Amino acid sequence: AQKVTQAQTEISVVEKEDVTLDCVYETRDTTYYLFWYKQPPSGELVFLIRRNSFDEQNEISGRYSWNFQKSTSSFNFTITASQVVDSAVYFCALSERMIKAAGNKLTFGGGTRVLVKP
Amino acid sequence: GAGVSQSPSNKVTEKGKDVELRCDPISGHTALYWYRQSLGQGLEFLIYFQGNSAPDKSGLPSDRFSAERTGGSVSTLTIQRTQQEDSAVYLCASTPRGLAVYEQYFGPGTRLTVT
Repeated sequence: AQKVTQAQTEISVVEKEDVTLDCVYETRDTTYYLFWYKQPPSGELVFLIRRNSFDEQNEISGRYSWNFQKSTSSFNFTITASQVVDSAVYFCALSERMIKAAGNKLTFGGGTRVLVKP
Repeated sequence: GAGVSQSPSNKVTEKGKDVELRCDPISGHTALYWYRQSLGQGLEFLIYFQGNSAPDKSGLPSDRFSAERTGGSVSTLTIQRTQQEDSAVYLCASTPRGLAVYEQYFGPGTRLTVT
C-alpha cells in the first residue's frame, strides 16, 4: 500500500525567511508520480508540481523549488523568501502506475500548514 | 475556461437524512474523482470515474455512499442516512483523460455538516 508522510503539521516563519516542507513516501511500485498541492484559506486545492519516478532532476519555479531523492523516498518543497500570500496548507501526494480500473487516485499526506507572518 | 464546479457550497443536514452533492467537471475531462477532507482522516479518495467504464468504488467508506456520473459529465455523490462522522468537505477533481497521469483539477468543495 502507498503512504505519504508529512511530519511537519505547522510551520511559522517571518516574511522573507525560507521554509522547507518535508515529504516522505512509501510505495512498492517502480513507476509512480509525486505531486504538491497548495490549499489557501479559500479552500480550493491548487496544483503546484508533478514529478515522475524516473525524473530525479530538481526543479525551480520562481520562489518554489523541489528536491526529489529516490534513495530516501523524499520529495521536499522549499519556498524561498516567503511572503504572506504563501500562507496555506501544502499537501504532498502520490499516485502509483496507472491501472485501468483505479485511475491515478491520489494518496495525500496529512498536510503542512505554513503561516507567514509580516 | 471554467474550472470544476460543485454545488452546494455548504450543506447542513440532520442526522439520518439523505444528501446529494453535485460536481461539474471541466468540459472535455473524462476522468472524475471524489475525495473527502475531514479533520480526523485528512484527504482521502472515495471514487473514480473514467468515461463509460465501471467506476472504482474502493474508497467509499460504507454502502451508505454511492455516486453516479450521467453522460460522462456531471457526477452526483449521494450519502444516505447521514451520520455525524460524514461531516467533511467533499472535493471533486477531474483530469483530461484517465489513461495517463495528469494533475487533477479540484473544485471548491462542498462542506457538509451533519447535526
